[in-house]
Amino acid sequence: GAVVSQHPSRVICKSGTSVKIECRSLDFQATTMFWYRQFPKQSLMLMATSNEGSKATYEQGVEKDKFLINHASLTLSTLTVTSAHPEDSSFYICSARDDWGASSYEQYFGPGTRLTVT
Amino acid sequence: DQQVKQNSPSLSVQEGRISILNCDYTNSMFDYFLWYKKYPAEGPTFLISISSIKDKNEDGRFTVFLNKSAKHLSLHIVPSQPGDSAVYFCAASALNNDMRFGAGTRLTVKP
Repeated sequence: GAVVSQHPSRVICKSGTSVKIECRSLDFQATTMFWYRQFPKQSLMLMATSNEGSKATYEQGVEKDKFLINHASLTLSTLTVTSAHPEDSSFYICSARDDWGASSYEQYFGPGTRLTVT
Repeated sequence: DQQVKQNSPSLSVQEGRISILNCDYTNSMFDYFLWYKKYPAEGPTFLISISSIKDKNEDGRFTVFLNKSAKHLSLHIVPSQPGDSAVYFCAASALNNDMRFGAGTRLTVKP
């Protein structure tokens, strides 16, 4: 099956610094990538959707200047949390979809990144 | 705007019995439904799906039922095993649109 990787799996950073999380599709072209955030004991919350080569579409309430998304190629999307604060500590998960593939409904999820801001 | 709802935050069943997880949705444009399983500190993994043209899809111990008129779907796991203990998310989407998730149901299967 399709594989999506995320790097790093865990990161601890100091308040005020920026952190970059990478999401890669390893064996398929990810025409669309999604970034989710999960708070403890809550559902996955969609933060933004990105299409390769274009600007990301952010969900209501998500600060686009704080969560910078770059979908530079068909296999890579990055999420940069700028000027991180402790309340940004969360589990971030990406997923990828091949809109031209045989199963264009399917989203394949990465393993997630645990961000802790101290 | 919660378009997909899982009203039971947790469910506990005995090993060998049936687990039934429920999900309701409000958006009639959804035409594809999925169940994901998630362990702590891991990304969700796809479990089973169903298209709106069907009312049942079975894969081994897992069966998903869809009732379009009631906008309701359910996941049946039988027989339940301790390794099935996880959080199960119901998700719905329309073609090439964003997937919306329910809040999840934590299933605990007791030996």
